Amino acid sequence: SAVISQKPSRDICQRGTSLTIQCQVDSQVTMMFWYRQQPGQSLTLIATANQGSEATYESGFVIDKFPISRPNLTFSTLTVSNMSPEDSSIYLCSVGDPDRANYGYTFGSGTRLTVV
Amino acid sequence: GENVEQHPSTLSVQEGDSAVIKCTYSDSASNYFPWYKQELGKRPQLIIDIRSNVGEKKDQRIAVTLNKTAKHFSLHITETQPEDSAVYFCAASGYNFNKFYFGSGTKLNVKP
Repeated sequence: SAVISQKPSRDICQRGTSLTIQCQVDSQVTMMFWYRQQPGQSLTLIATANQGSEATYESGFVIDKFPISRPNLTFSTLTVSNMSPEDSSIYLCSVGDPDRANYGYTFGSGTRLTVV
Repeated sequence: GENVEQHPSTLSVQEGDSAVIKCTYSDSASNYFPWYKQELGKRPQLIIDIRSNVGEKKDQRIAVTLNKTAKHFSLHITETQPEDSAVYFCAASGYNFNKFYFGSGTKLNVKP
């Protein structure tokens, strides 16, 4: 499976500011996703990062709040904009490639965000 | 979109016993069903998965079964060990594996 480097691993941010999270993969992957996981909760899909085009957002998530870039098949960023304490959560990228015989969708190590 | 329901939310078993976690999904087009284990403070790790053209898959002490007609799938862990204690999540893919929707999670506690 792919090796994912996600950073930063954690950050404490002031409300009203923005934070950009990076996800770097060691090989080209077809699919990249961004999830949010609040403490003790399940994983909620924010969006699918599409290479060379706008991300596909899930209901309840909008581009102005969570802009996503994916300039190539190994890299993506998620920005959390105009942060409020409600944005405090763990953000994870996930990658996979359904065209490979034994693929498995793996997760980055996560970014623990605290907004104060 | 897909709706995945997972039961039970917590499960406590004695070491050596079996554990079963069940999930149902709503979208009949879903065709890939992975299971993840998440230990405290760590990322979810894929432990087993099954595609819609297979009814059962086994990997050592772990097995997954799928009933497409009833739209449910289950994780079976035999001979549980304390290191199996974690939160387990099921997931279902949308068409063409383009996204995953997760169940609410099951906290498994294996008592030594």
